[in-house]
Amino acid sequence: DIQMTQSPSSLAASVGDRVTITCRASQGISSYLNWYQQKPGKAPRLLIYATTSLQSGVPSRFSGGGSGTYFTLTISSLQSEDFATYFCQQSYSTTLTFGGGTKVEI
Amino acid sequence: EVQLVESGGGLVQPGGSLRLSCVGSEFSEFTFSRYWMSWVRQTPGKGLEWVAIIKHDGSEINYVGSVKGRFTISRDNAKNSLYLQMNSLTVEDTAVYYCARMNLPAAPPRYGMDVWGQGTTVTVSS
Repeated sequence: DIQMTQSPSSLAASVGDRVTITCRASQGISSYLNWYQQKPGKAPRLLIYATTSLQSGVPSRFSGGGSGTYFTLTISSLQSEDFATYFCQQSYSTTLTFGGGTKVEI
Repeated sequence: EVQLVESGGGLVQPGGSLRLSCVGSEFSEFTFSRYWMSWVRQTPGKGLEWVAIIKHDGSEINYVGSVKGRFTISRDNAKNSLYLQMNSLTVEDTAVYYCARMNLPAAPPRYGMDVWGQGTTVTVSS
């Protein structure tokens, strides 16, 4: 199975900060990388699919980049509602796998 | 609003069985039969783990290795319903189970999961 490694596992930031989360795949996955946001007690929410495509309704301060084995999720100006846990997920393999998550805290 | 509602979770002893169900909303904008569907589970220790996936017509199915031979995913498009039959349960199967719609109708399951249910809790314990 393809292993997905996120870093950092947690970070502390302030409103207005630019935040970048990274995700590395154990092998090349082309551009088949998706990002989710999850808040406590809620289901995950799809933010970005296929590395760079913003899901409908997601604010433009979220952006994704990368290819191959290295990917990033960037929040250009952190808002209070963005404090949450973020997960990457690869869909290159028929066995889908998630990263371990990055918790963004105040 | 497109919705998925899971049910069927509960407390079961090791070695037991459970059947989870997930029903999609009846509104026209959600043509259940056009979408691949997945089950995903979450535990505090292991984060999110994809469990199983089924093509819109049921012709393709795949599972994570740890549940192969024990879990069976199925669907009934006439009832807008997805199922997960779980047999030979172990304590490691304890989790919140979500059903999720794969993004983009009739597309390969490459583009993430765009609609999720609220989750149903499965606890395996003696």
